[in-house]
Amino acid sequence: QITLKESGPTLVKPTQTLTLTCTFSGFSLSTVRVGVGWIRQPPGKALEWLALVFWDDDKRYSPSLRNRLTITKDTSKNQVVLTMANMDPVDTATYYCAHVNYYFDYWGQGTLVTVSS
Amino acid sequence: DIQMTQSPSTLSTSVGDRVTISCRASQSISRWLAWYQQKPGKAPNLLLYEASTLESGVPSRFSGSGSGTEFTLTISSLQPDDFATYYCQQYSSFPWTFGQGTKVEIK
Repeated sequence: QITLKESGPTLVKPTQTLTLTCTFSGFSLSTVRVGVGWIRQPPGKALEWLALVFWDDDKRYSPSLRNRLTITKDTSKNQVVLTMANMDPVDTATYYCAHVNYYFDYWGQGTLVTVSS
Repeated sequence: DIQMTQSPSTLSTSVGDRVTISCRASQSISRWLAWYQQKPGKAPNLLLYEASTLESGVPSRFSGSGSGTEFTLTISSLQPDDFATYYCQQYSSFPWTFGQGTKVEIK
């Protein structure tokens, strides 16, 4: 059974760096073709893909956020970490991590991050 | 970037109705398209992938069709549990992109 869970701060101040951790079980990030991605959703708005890391450490980023995002994996801990620099109130959103099998087939419950001073 | 455009944005409908949601890609994505259902306060749930393949456990009243740039999600007979927002997503090329969503609401 594949499960994922996001963790991190619920409130960050503008200009701070956000660090989110996705802890997963039921699969290994060393398995060929497997990946973990991050998606966010501002309140009342659509889903937005942010970043993705594959089993071979291939990393992909949203071009519009590329200079603010870093994704890393720790295969031994079954974790993927996303950092987003220079947070702004417009980054207030629910952040999801998801298992990738060409598409997002398993999702975490999401974590709401509010950016406010 | 490949833009995904869904229509309509909102659909007011009734239990038992046949529902069709369209998704258009700004360039060909072959059949690399997924559909998700999202209920308020919940994570999205995968319904279909490769445009028409039903994910395990998803009711057969959901179906998908299309290729290239035009895709359709159909719910053959809407059930009370189906009132939700639906998103399409292309995974043909990076950056992966989602449609803006279609909210299916009670008429």
